[in-house]
Parts: sequence; C-alpha cells; structure tokens
Amino acid sequence: EAQVTQNPRYLITVTGKKLTVTCSQNMNHEYMSWYRQDPGLGLRQIYYSMNVEVTDKGDVPEGYKVSRKEKRNFPLILESPSPNQTSLYFCASTGYTEAFFGQGTRLTVV
Amino acid sequence: GDSVTQMEGPVTLSEEAFLTINCTYTATGYPSLFWYVQYPGEGLQLLLKATKADDKGSNKGFEATYRKETTSFHLEKGSVQVSDSAVYFCALSPNRDDKIIFGKGTRLHILP
Repeated sequence: EAQVTQNPRYLITVTGKKLTVTCSQNMNHEYMSWYRQDPGLGLRQIYYSMNVEVTDKGDVPEGYKVSRKEKRNFPLILESPSPNQTSLYFCASTGYTEAFFGQGTRLTVV
Repeated sequence: GDSVTQMEGPVTLSEEAFLTINCTYTATGYPSLFWYVQYPGEGLQLLLKATKADDKGSNKGFEATYRKETTSFHLEKGSVQVSDSAVYFCALSPNRDDKIIFGKGTRLHILP
C-alpha cells in the first residue's frame, strides 16, 4: 500500500528547543516536499527535494532545514522553533504528478 | 508564474443540493489539473485529475472538466452528502519535474 508516514502527529514544544519531524515514503518517489497549512493561507511549500542530496527552498523556508540522505526519508528540522511556526505540517511524496500526503503533524510552539 | 485561484469558503449547503466550487489557473504550456480533498484530521488525498484539454475527471460522484479556453477546472457534484464535508483544493502540475501548485482550499459544510 502506498504510504507516507510522518511522526509525530502532535507536538507541543518550547521556543528554541530543536525538533525534528520525520517523513518516510514507500513508493520510491524522487520528489518529496514539506508544506505548512495555516487558516486563510492554504498550503505553502517549505522545502522540496528532487532526489537524494538535492534539496531546494520552497515559498516559506525561513526557520526550517531539511535533509535527504536516502530516497525514502525527508525529515524537517526546526533548529530554534518560534511561536510563528505553530502550524499544521504535511509531508508529501510525488510521482507521475500525483502527490501522496502524510497524516499531518500539528505543532505548537509556546 | 503558475498559480491557482479557487473560490473562498466556507461553502454551506443542504444535503442533496448541487455543488460547484470554482477554480481557475494560470500556467504556461499544458499543465495537469487536480482536485484534492482533506477530510477532518487527515492529510490531502487525490479526488480526481485531468491531464489534457477537454478531459473530464470523475470520482465519488464528483466531476471536473479541463477547459483550456477559460483556464478553468470547476468541481461539481449533483447531490452532496454530509460525508462530503471537507476542504477541497484545486491544484496544477506544470509537468516539469513533479512540483504541484495548490489553491488555498475551499471548506465545504453539508447540513443534514
């Protein structure tokens, strides 16, 4: 079964405490991306990766990092989270122009 | 650049009503067009797609026709159900790499 798995589903953290949200796909897709979803703003792309070791900024990359050391995994790293990064985050894996999404991670930074 | 514009919500309808959610796009070349649906507490999932002009995508009673002359891909359903309550995203792929560009989403509420 085609699957994108992201963890955790919910996370509450404090300002400045580094965190990582993991994402893994089982479809051997080359293209993966991270989005954040905020009320009234829709989905905004944070970073994307077109293959292993190839990453690039999306529309809202400030305050985030990513890595792509292997094809199946694409973690999102917040080195020093701030309250304005409180949001719902989605990982997506895309192949043949169809995107598969994870269940989402609801992050709250206090 | 490429973009998608869809009608703002929320849209509230009674069960069995006719649904239209408007979507227009701007793109160079010949993009593929999609509708994604997000049910409460879940990620987005593909509802339907069309890859060339005049194609009609359909699924679960929903339909959308790729209209190149009006650059539109409106979503329609003849008789909505309470279970259709969700957020609907129109999207396009320029067919360069695998990038997909999403609209802002339209929240749909169906009342019993």
